[in-house]
Amino acid sequence: AQSVTQLDSHVSVSEGTPVLLRCNYSSSYSPSLFWYVQHPNKGLQLLLKYTSAATLVKGINGFEAEFKKSETSFHLTKPSAHMSDAAEYFCVVSASSGTYKYIFGTGTRLKVLA
Amino acid sequence: ETGVTQSPTHLIKTRGQQVTLRCSSQSGHNTVSWYQQALGQGPQFIFQYYREEENGRGNFPPRFSGLQFPNYSSELNVNALELDDSALYLCASSWNYGGEQYFGPGTRLTVT
Repeated sequence: AQSVTQLDSHVSVSEGTPVLLRCNYSSSYSPSLFWYVQHPNKGLQLLLKYTSAATLVKGINGFEAEFKKSETSFHLTKPSAHMSDAAEYFCVVSASSGTYKYIFGTGTRLKVLA
Repeated sequence: ETGVTQSPTHLIKTRGQQVTLRCSSQSGHNTVSWYQQALGQGPQFIFQYYREEENGRGNFPPRFSGLQFPNYSSELNVNALELDDSALYLCASSWNYGGEQYFGPGTRLTVT
């Protein structure tokens, strides 16, 4: 079975300060992990993915995430927040046990303060 | 390169009716997944089609069914609509199952 938990439903940061969005996962099989962003009234966009290669994954727009198997975590970070980063962020786990399932977290709404 | 497209954009149906939503996958992609996103929630996985066969399904009843065509486009059919079926329905395509998915803009379904 797979599951994903996003530990914060809302995060507020000031522009120019670091961003940390937390995600823990559970999977009985080797997982693939993804972060997606959803801006208001826009489609979901892939930020980055982990698929058992390097544990530190770099994505678009300066975001990165580190896969930590011992902590079953895949937290998303960015060194310096920009106003345009304000959006909903989803952590996703997928794995195969013969058939595929993709499990989305409940989302973290990021607010960036001027 | 054409991205994922979905039709219609918006749809209003009455409880008990049936609805068909359509999705065209991104060029070169052979896998299509469907999701239901209720207001204020994360997308819920409905099912995935790989080369015209269903190869994954979430916790949705059988009245949610789908098809994938030889050109890898796909349909989502929902029978006996219920009020709780009101949501944004998202289609995503990928090159092979398990790969990164590219999402369409969604179809907003309202059931009254």
